Amino acid sequence: EAQVTQNPRYLITVTGKKLTVTCSQNMNHEYMSWYRQDPGLGLRQIYYSMNVEVTDKGDVPEGYKVSRKEKRNFPLILESPSPNQTSLYFCASSYATGGKSSYNEQFFGPGTRLTVL
Amino acid sequence: GNSVTQMEGPVTLSEEAFLTINCTYTATGYPSLFWYVQYPGEGLQLLLKATKADDKGSNKGFEATYRKETTSFHLEKGSVQVSDSAVYFCALLNAGGTSYGKLTFGQGTILTVHP
Repeated sequence: EAQVTQNPRYLITVTGKKLTVTCSQNMNHEYMSWYRQDPGLGLRQIYYSMNVEVTDKGDVPEGYKVSRKEKRNFPLILESPSPNQTSLYFCASSYATGGKSSYNEQFFGPGTRLTVL
Repeated sequence: GNSVTQMEGPVTLSEEAFLTINCTYTATGYPSLFWYVQYPGEGLQLLLKATKADDKGSNKGFEATYRKETTSFHLEKGSVQVSDSAVYFCALLNAGGTSYGKLTFGQGTILTVHP
């Protein structure tokens, strides 16, 4: 089954304790992205990756890191989490896009609900 | 920059009522437009899409038409069901530029349908 998986689904942690949220897709997609969802703000992009070893910042990258060493995995790293990073996080993937009329459906993972105390 | 504005929620309807959720956008170029749905406890699923002006996307009884003249992509359904209760997001996909593949989302509209 084609899917995007995330782990963990729920996480409660304390300020400053490094954590990693994993994301994996089995569709051989080049493009992967992380979003955070906050009430009244919709989803905002944190980081994205066009392919292996190619990553770039989205709209809200502060306090986050990513890596793309393999095509299927795109972990989100919080080196020193703070309470304002309490949120619902989604990973998404698609075939690479580009050009005026390009469109490729993005597939979303089930989400990771993170609470930083 | 690009932006998407959805009507404020929550929206509460009785079963079989008509649904409209307004969505307007600001974008340069020729974006593609989407509606995503998020059922309780789940991730986002693509509901429908339109890639150019006057396209109509449709799925599961939902429809939306890409109106370039009014920069709108309103979601409609003629007769909602309890199972349609979810959060609905309007989104646009940057076409070209330096942020390939980035979806810009509206704030989401919570829909609750009562029997």
